[in-house]
Amino acid sequence: RKEVEQDPGPFNVPEGATVAFNCTYSNSASQSFFWYRQDCRKEPKLLMSVYSSGNEDGRFTAQLNRASQYISLLIRDSKLSDSATYLCVVNKGSTGNQFYFGTGTSLTVIP
Amino acid sequence: DADVTQTPRNRITKTGKRIMLECSQTKGHDRMYWYRQDPGLGLRLIYYSFDVKDINKGEISDGYSVSRQAQAKFSLSLESAIPNQTALYFCATSEGQPQHFGDGTRLSIL
Repeated sequence: RKEVEQDPGPFNVPEGATVAFNCTYSNSASQSFFWYRQDCRKEPKLLMSVYSSGNEDGRFTAQLNRASQYISLLIRDSKLSDSATYLCVVNKGSTGNQFYFGTGTSLTVIP
Repeated sequence: DADVTQTPRNRITKTGKRIMLECSQTKGHDRMYWYRQDPGLGLRLIYYSFDVKDINKGEISDGYSVSRQAQAKFSLSLESAIPNQTALYFCATSEGQPQHFGDGTRLSIL
């Protein structure tokens, strides 16, 4: 079983729509969680960390469900510029050396 | 200027050649990592280093070697390149977490 699993999509949504992605992780000892954004042929960039209590940054909301071992990303009022691949990242270790990446979920926002 | 710089950005070479990919950072982070990304497989860790001269194998280290001679530099070598090492390679740094990535090196082995 993969450490981190994501639905690859693609998700094609109209501008202004709300879209949600989920990501499941296999190791219950995982300690830190992140969402990264990756544009085509570019480097991954940190979108937001995911905290146990859930956190929001503008139109983006991230949530963690430890009991079910998944994290989610909600994007409200989608913009064309949100089109990208969203990577779920899980850190299993306290020493920061065990990052596991999902394969990414592709999002295209359509005018 | 980018905080994490990779060179070259693109490279095409032949099977059997020795290749070196360089990564340098100005973030002052102790931890550096090399990943490769393949379609449908996500990023996979090749090697990582937590300090100068500290080297640790990642998930897919076979066929690769690294060198960390200075805090700011971490180089990845393919001693004898083979076609299935064709991929997008990323260097990353961190001070714990999260990680910050370089622009990537697109490597093609013919």
